Amino acid sequence: DAGITQSPRYKITETGRQVTLMCHQTWSHSYMFWYRQDLGHGLRLIYYSAAADITDKGEVPDGYVVSRSKTENFPLTLESATRSQTSVYFCASSDIREGEQYFGPGTRLTVT
Amino acid sequence: QKEVEQDPGPLSVPEGAIVSLNCTYSNSAFQYFMWYRQYSRKGPELLMYTYSSGNKEDGRFTAQVDKSSKYISLFIRDSQPSDSATYLCAMKWGGGNKLTFGTGTQLKVEL
Repeated sequence: DAGITQSPRYKITETGRQVTLMCHQTWSHSYMFWYRQDLGHGLRLIYYSAAADITDKGEVPDGYVVSRSKTENFPLTLESATRSQTSVYFCASSDIREGEQYFGPGTRLTVT
Repeated sequence: QKEVEQDPGPLSVPEGAIVSLNCTYSNSAFQYFMWYRQYSRKGPELLMYTYSSGNKEDGRFTAQVDKSSKYISLFIRDSQPSDSATYLCAMKWGGGNKLTFGTGTQLKVEL
């Protein structure tokens, strides 16, 4: 299917566990982004990537790790999950020539 | 002070009303302005994208940008229950394609 997909859609994990959220896009967009969305804070940028093997920190990167070995994939790893990382996570992508970003359906993560 | 301010609502209007949603911003470097619509438990979807000051119309939706006042608006005419969603403004400056988002306004259109 064309577009941007995220997996899993829902995840419950325990404090201290490592969790990886997956993001895949089929447009060959150069840019990819990870956001978290929390009540009262809106969308906050965690990490972004301008191309394969190029990543950079966003507004709230602490506790997260990303990699981008292929253009179409941009996984986000929580190395040791904490309760404060309970949130809805959105992946997005955009073409290098355009400004608008296209979002995935989100992953709802609960850390107990 | 946040770079982008947006009233979180909730805003409740009757069906058929004209809705006005607004954002103010402080960064003069913002050049591109967008409105996203987000239904409950879904990802944001792009609704409108404008570059210059003035109005841009698309069906029942009109996006307005006033760079001199650092103020953008989204108007929805003949609002429908299906317009009930959270509306986020977003802004971009320079290269890099990063966006700065408002916190979103929750809109409910009632029958």
